[in-house]
Amino acid sequence: GDSVTQMEGPVTLSEEAFLTINCTYTATGYPSLFWYVQYPGEGLQLLLKATKADDKGSNKGFEATYRKETTSFHLEKGSVQVSDSAVYFCALSEPSNQAGTALIFGKGTTLSVSS
Amino acid sequence: EPEVTQTPSHQVTQMGQEVILRCVPISNHLYFYWYRQILGQKVEFLVSFYNNEISEKSEIFDDQFSVERPDGSNFTLKIRSTKLEDSAMYFCASSAGVETQYFGPGTRLLVL
Repeated sequence: GDSVTQMEGPVTLSEEAFLTINCTYTATGYPSLFWYVQYPGEGLQLLLKATKADDKGSNKGFEATYRKETTSFHLEKGSVQVSDSAVYFCALSEPSNQAGTALIFGKGTTLSVSS
Repeated sequence: EPEVTQTPSHQVTQMGQEVILRCVPISNHLYFYWYRQILGQKVEFLVSFYNNEISEKSEIFDDQFSVERPDGSNFTLKIRSTKLEDSAMYFCASSAGVETQYFGPGTRLLVL
C-alpha cells in the first residue's frame, strides 16, 4: 500500500542554517503531497502542498518540489529561525474527486532551532 | 481565523471503559476525519465522515469505534471498551471539499 518515509529526527540547527528534511513516498498512482507542521501545543497545520510532478509548493520560506522520478518531496528552507522549531510531517493522498480521502503520514521529524 | 477544536485535551481512563472524544469542526466544512498517533509512531487515518455516514475507514476502525455527528456542530469518536493499545493522540480534522484538511490540537488518551 501507499506509504511515506521521512528522515528520523531530531534535527538540531542554529539560527540561519539551511534546512533539509527528506521525504520519499510509495504510491500506486499519482498522489498529492503535503507538508504539515505541528507547533508545540497546537494541531497539525498545512505548510505547503503540490498536486502533480514538478510542482513546487512554498510557504513561509519553506519549499518542496514534487519529484516523480525519485518519488521524493524534500522540505527545504534557506535560513531557519527559532520560531520554526516544531514537528514536520510529510503526507500524501491519492487523487480523488471524492472528499474524505485519507491522508497517509510519515512519522514526523522534530526540528529544534537554537539562537 | 476559524479552527477545529477538540475536547478534552487530555483524558485518562481505565481499560474496558467507554470514552467519547469531541470535536467541533470548522463551521462551513462538510467532511470530517479522525486520525490517531501512538507515541513514537505515524499519524494514522481512522475514518472519514460525510453526509451523516462513514465515507472511508481504515482497518484500525473496528467495531469498538464509532463516530457520530449528534448535532450541527459536534463530531464525536466513541471507543466502546478501551484497550491499553488505544492510548494515543487523537486528531480530528475537517475539510470543505477535496482540498486541505484542517486539524485540531488533538486529545491525548491514556488507557490504564
